[in-house]
Amino acid sequence: SQTIHQWPATLVQPVGSPLSLECTVEGTSNPNLYWYRQAAGRGLQLLFYSVGIGQISSEVPQNLSASRPQDRQFILSSKKLLLSDSGFYLCAWSVNGPYGYTFGSGTRLTVV
Amino acid sequence: AQTVTQSQPEMSVQEAETVTLSCTYDTSESNYYLFWYKQPPSRQMILVIRQEAYKQQNATENRFSVNFQKAAKSFSLKISDSQLGDTAMYFCAFMDSNYQLIWGAGTKLIIKP
Repeated sequence: SQTIHQWPATLVQPVGSPLSLECTVEGTSNPNLYWYRQAAGRGLQLLFYSVGIGQISSEVPQNLSASRPQDRQFILSSKKLLLSDSGFYLCAWSVNGPYGYTFGSGTRLTVV
Repeated sequence: AQTVTQSQPEMSVQEAETVTLSCTYDTSESNYYLFWYKQPPSRQMILVIRQEAYKQQNATENRFSVNFQKAAKSFSLKISDSQLGDTAMYFCAFMDSNYQLIWGAGTKLIIKP
């Protein structure tokens, strides 16, 4: 069966520090991968999605970047965090088909 | 561009009551898919129910059912015999022909004991 792992669960980082959040999927090949951000009590904002290794689409220009070094690995990064980068980050995967997305358990990032 | 609207930011009902969450969408596509996701306080996103636009029959999953009105572009979620564990944010989503999900803003549902 397919599983998605996202870590860390919680992260507190100072302003100006780098960021690396990792997401991996098991049990499937060539998944579509997504990074979302969610403010408290708010909806989902799509940040990046990837349909294959090295293929990244950015939905919102910002202080973040994404990479997909392996088929089932998706990394969200920042060189210098801003206070506004605080939020809840969700990784998700899907296949090309009408089956919806499966989400990881999320990372709560607080930039102080 | 497709849009999804959830007009109820927050709702609350008593345990065991039935509650309906509304969702409308806008699209020019004829074949698409609609979803409801639940996000409990743990913030884990969970797929609740899925509807195929070409199927007239409304989807049902245990206590969860939808009222899909294609002509009106409406896709409401009905929760019967609501339970405390149903307390969550509920998101409606539209899947376009590229299999990308477009999300509504969410409805916060509180089930009161």
